[in-house]
Amino acid sequence: DAKTTQPTSMDCAEGRAANLPCNHSTISGNEYVYWYRQIHSQGPQYIIHGLKNNETNEMASLIITEDRKSSTLILPHATLRDTAVYYCIVRVLRAGNMLTFGGGTRLMVKP
Amino acid sequence: NAGVTQTPKFQVLKTGQSMTLQCAQDMNHNSMYWYRQDPGMGLRLIYYSASEGTTDKGEVPNGYNVSRLNKREFSLRLESAAPSQTSVYFCASSEGSGGRNTIYFGEGSWLTVV
Repeated sequence: DAKTTQPTSMDCAEGRAANLPCNHSTISGNEYVYWYRQIHSQGPQYIIHGLKNNETNEMASLIITEDRKSSTLILPHATLRDTAVYYCIVRVLRAGNMLTFGGGTRLMVKP
Repeated sequence: NAGVTQTPKFQVLKTGQSMTLQCAQDMNHNSMYWYRQDPGMGLRLIYYSASEGTTDKGEVPNGYNVSRLNKREFSLRLESAAPSQTSVYFCASSEGSGGRNTIYFGEGSWLTVV
């Protein structure tokens, strides 16, 4: 599976958009990009995933570059409850492939 | 909505003791997983069960055994606990094991081995 690179930490002002980048330059055509977050040692929470097209749901938007070598998770109006570690994961389609977690980005939302 | 339920939530063991972590999901999912997370680290896969009746090793299986009791339940056993197994353990499930299937996690079980 492709490895991902994320900044170790980021800050964001409450109410502003949080843009979390992820590099996955070795991604292959059959690998999905997944985003999870973990709030203070709770179980990881699924946010969004995509293959080629940009995706949006009630939590966030996922922007994938045309060459698929990087992506950005956007939280449109960050709140204090969005303070968490955010994991970008690439995952192949085939059965039996598991989520492999890296270090993630620690997002701190500040008042 | 219960989702993925793990028990116990907290446990302290002495070195050499055995214990079983229980996990149940009520989403009718076929695949289930056990991960561990050490302080400041990402999650690492211990074992998984792609479907009822099958189990496979993950990244860090040594010192653990698993049982897929039925479609709902997937247990993790430590036969002889060691301090290196002090960690937070997460059970998870998904409809299938392919990359298109979202994995949902339980709230974790904190295990300390002294």
